[in-house]
Amino acid sequence: EVQLVESGGGLVQPGGSLRLSCVASGFIFNGYSMNWVRQAPGKGLEWVSYISISGSMIHYADSVKGRFTISRDNAMNALFLQMNSLRAEDTAVYYCARRLGDSGVCFDYWGQGTLVTVSS
Amino acid sequence: EIVLTQSPATLSLSPGERATLSCRASQSISSYLAWFQQKPGQAPRLLIYDAFNRATGIPARFSGSGSGTDFTLTISSLEPEDFAVYYCQQRSMWPLTFGGGTKVEIK
Repeated sequence: EVQLVESGGGLVQPGGSLRLSCVASGFIFNGYSMNWVRQAPGKGLEWVSYISISGSMIHYADSVKGRFTISRDNAMNALFLQMNSLRAEDTAVYYCARRLGDSGVCFDYWGQGTLVTVSS
Repeated sequence: EIVLTQSPATLSLSPGERATLSCRASQSISSYLAWFQQKPGQAPRLLIYDAFNRATGIPARFSGSGSGTDFTLTISSLEPEDFAVYYCQQRSMWPLTFGGGTKVEIK
């Protein structure tokens, strides 16, 4: 069974940092590129970041560029998102989601999400 | 950035009725469009990929059509579990983008 399990969310003050993790199981992790997608409370979905299978290609949404860093560890079947200089508008549920290969069908499996709240 | 515009924002229908949801792209995305369903408190679920392909386990009452800039998700006969929010998403160009969503509610 494919599983993606996120962790690391919580309450953080504006300007603070958090590191999210997503552990994968039930599939060949290094056959899939990975993404982070977020959803602010009561709002729609926003793609945040992408990392290719090897980690050599990375993309970010403009809203997080320069503040967030995506990475992966294929030996540990894990995906990470380092979030720095957090703002109130980063408050959201953060989902990890896989993508077939480096450029195939997106988001066929999602994690359950982890809530990040940025507030003083 | 490719903007996806979904209409209507809300669709009020009864079980058994047909639902037609629209997604329009700001420029051509070929057939690189997917549809997702999301229920409250749950992660989104992939329904349709590359405009018309049903994802694994998705019932045949869900169908997708379109190419270029205009796409449609059709639910042929609404079941009680189909009342949810639906999003379209494009993978033609970076950044990946989602539409604003259509809520299908019980009339």
